[in-house]
Amino acid sequence: DIVMTQSPDSLAVSLGERATINCKSSQSLLYTFNKKNYLAWYQQKPGQPPKLLIYWASTRESGVPDRFSGSGSGTDFTLTISSLQAEDVAVYYCQQFYSNLPGTFGQGTKVEIK
Amino acid sequence: EVQLLQSGGGLVQPGGSLRLSCAASGFNFSNYATAWVRQAPGKGLEWASHISASGRDTFYTDSVKGRFTIFRDNSKNTLYLQMNSLRAEDTALYYCAKSASSNYFDQWGHGTLVTVSS
Repeated sequence: DIVMTQSPDSLAVSLGERATINCKSSQSLLYTFNKKNYLAWYQQKPGQPPKLLIYWASTRESGVPDRFSGSGSGTDFTLTISSLQAEDVAVYYCQQFYSNLPGTFGQGTKVEIK
Repeated sequence: EVQLLQSGGGLVQPGGSLRLSCAASGFNFSNYATAWVRQAPGKGLEWASHISASGRDTFYTDSVKGRFTIFRDNSKNTLYLQMNSLRAEDTALYYCAKSASSNYFDQWGHGTLVTVSS
């Protein structure tokens, strides 16, 4: 199975500041035939189900604020929140969907307000 | 509006059985693969089981193989998870999730809690 490792496990950021979460996969998630990275990001707020933020590593889901952006390729990916808002407090997960099932998740990164 | 309405779950003794259901609405259910993703208390997400749009192809994570069965009734727009021989380590919040164009999830149910304890 592909192993997904996120860093850091938690971070505290001041309101309005940038938050950066990293996700590293044990093998490349880039399909050369379509040049797509098979990587998604989710946000999970306390007591709620996960919510899709980003897919194909950098495509924002409809309705997701543009302060959320995804970047990276191959094995190294980043989710950036450009200006942290109070409602962004959550746990964030990356997920690869490159391999045959299962599409493994990272362990999660908890984002808090400093 | 897309909805995934979950039911089932609850408290069961080790070795017992439960069936989870997930009723879908707001989209053409028979066109999309679906999955059960679980989350143990205070832990991360684990893809437990997956079924293709037609229901022909299924997947199980190793820890539930031979004990869980995923199936769907496309005429009723409903996904199921039959869980047998339950263990304490199966205790988790179980989410049904709709796959998008590929195997990432664009819609999630609210979750249903399964507690396995004597």
